[in-house]
Amino acid sequence: GAGVSQSPSNKVTEKGKDVELRCDPISGHTALYWYRQSLGQGLEFLIYFQGNSAPDKSGLPSDRFSAERTGGSVSTLTIQRTQQEDSAVYLCASSPDGYSYNEQFFGPGTRLTVL
Amino acid sequence: AQSVSQHNHHVILSEAASLELGCNYSYGGTVNLFWYVQYPGQHLQLLLKYFSGDPLVKGIKGFEAEFIKSKFSFNLRKPSVQWSDTAEYFCAVSTGTASKLTFGTGTRLQVTL
Repeated sequence: GAGVSQSPSNKVTEKGKDVELRCDPISGHTALYWYRQSLGQGLEFLIYFQGNSAPDKSGLPSDRFSAERTGGSVSTLTIQRTQQEDSAVYLCASSPDGYSYNEQFFGPGTRLTVL
Repeated sequence: AQSVSQHNHHVILSEAASLELGCNYSYGGTVNLFWYVQYPGQHLQLLLKYFSGDPLVKGIKGFEAEFIKSKFSFNLRKPSVQWSDTAEYFCAVSTGTASKLTFGTGTRLQVTL
């Protein structure tokens, strides 16, 4: 079946612009996660959704970052007033439910470059 | 908060050599442990996981890992690596109630012919 998909695959933007990144999880997966992979920081958790609610937002680095999920499916991660330090690969993952022992299935990521 | 350490950042092996990648975590409660792999140009995928039962777990492609609770370790092993094992390997942990993954910094494995 189809895996997790993300769009765009690459995004180049200018400092100060807003960007939106999209994630389509595996159908039927109620849990959705956003992570960020950067050279200096490795793989970092950003936010976790269970259905349309976000019980854990502890990884969002600043109030410029926000995310939403609608219909228990698609999620968008929005970064406002982008900064150069936001340059990274943004990964989305989904899981059948939010149990901590379950495998998370990762998408291909969106590479964000802020000039 | 939990943390994960992978002490080997870059490992170079010849084909048929044995592999052991170290992973240590810091968390005093119940943990679930994972090894993910990222092959060149591909997305992260699960190699194996431990959450309960036999501490020696076997995964795909001949990989295995042993959970040693007293050492807070979950090292990854393979008796004989292949060129196709060239990839980046990430150890990760989730705790009892929180399903988010905390990753180590990754180990880049390069297998030469």
